[in-house]
Amino acid sequence: KQEVTQIPAALSVPEGENLVLNCSFTDSAIYNLQWFRQDPGKGLTSLLLIQSSQREQTSGRLNASLDKSSGRSTLYIAASQPGDSATYLCAVLAGGFKTIFGAGTRLFVKA
Amino acid sequence: DTAVSQTPKYLVTQMGNDKSIKCEQNLGHDTMYWYKQDSKKFLKIMFSYNNKELIINETVPNRFSPKSPDKAHLNLHINSLELGDSAVYFCASSQGGTGGNSYEQYFGPGTRLTVT
Repeated sequence: KQEVTQIPAALSVPEGENLVLNCSFTDSAIYNLQWFRQDPGKGLTSLLLIQSSQREQTSGRLNASLDKSSGRSTLYIAASQPGDSATYLCAVLAGGFKTIFGAGTRLFVKA
Repeated sequence: DTAVSQTPKYLVTQMGNDKSIKCEQNLGHDTMYWYKQDSKKFLKIMFSYNNKELIINETVPNRFSPKSPDKAHLNLHINSLELGDSAVYFCASSQGGTGGNSYEQYFGPGTRLTVT
């Protein structure tokens, strides 16, 4: 049974700091892994999608990596800003269109 | 233009009632999903439809019934609502294929259901 774990559950950093969010999954048979951000009371915004054959994806200050063999992904945020404060979720897509989400990391960036 | 839309945004109703939530996507995607986000903010998949066929049904009570009149719409009907059904329900869609963006999911804004 696929399980997705995100560490840490919460993180508070000063503005300008580089940070890493971690996501691990128990079954390496995945189609892709997707990182989202969710602002309070809002829907999910897709940040980065990594296909199972890829190792990393980059968008602006964000870089996501995928190591399928070890069941790990990281989301790297460079030069964090107060506007980055949100909950970050990772999700893996497995067979049968089944998507498993982690519980998320709540990020607070202090000005 | 909104890519994935849901109506209503808020729904307050009493126990025992029947209600529906509508979802529409204008992205031309072939797969649509319903998720439930509980009070602890954990997201769990409920249903997935691919080309109007139900793909998965994750241990959801049969009081919940998805209906897909066409590829662009996936509605969720709930019978005999219970207190435990209170949550935020999200609709999402994705497109299959082999490209770099295949199966990237796009989410709607959510419907906050409160059962009193």
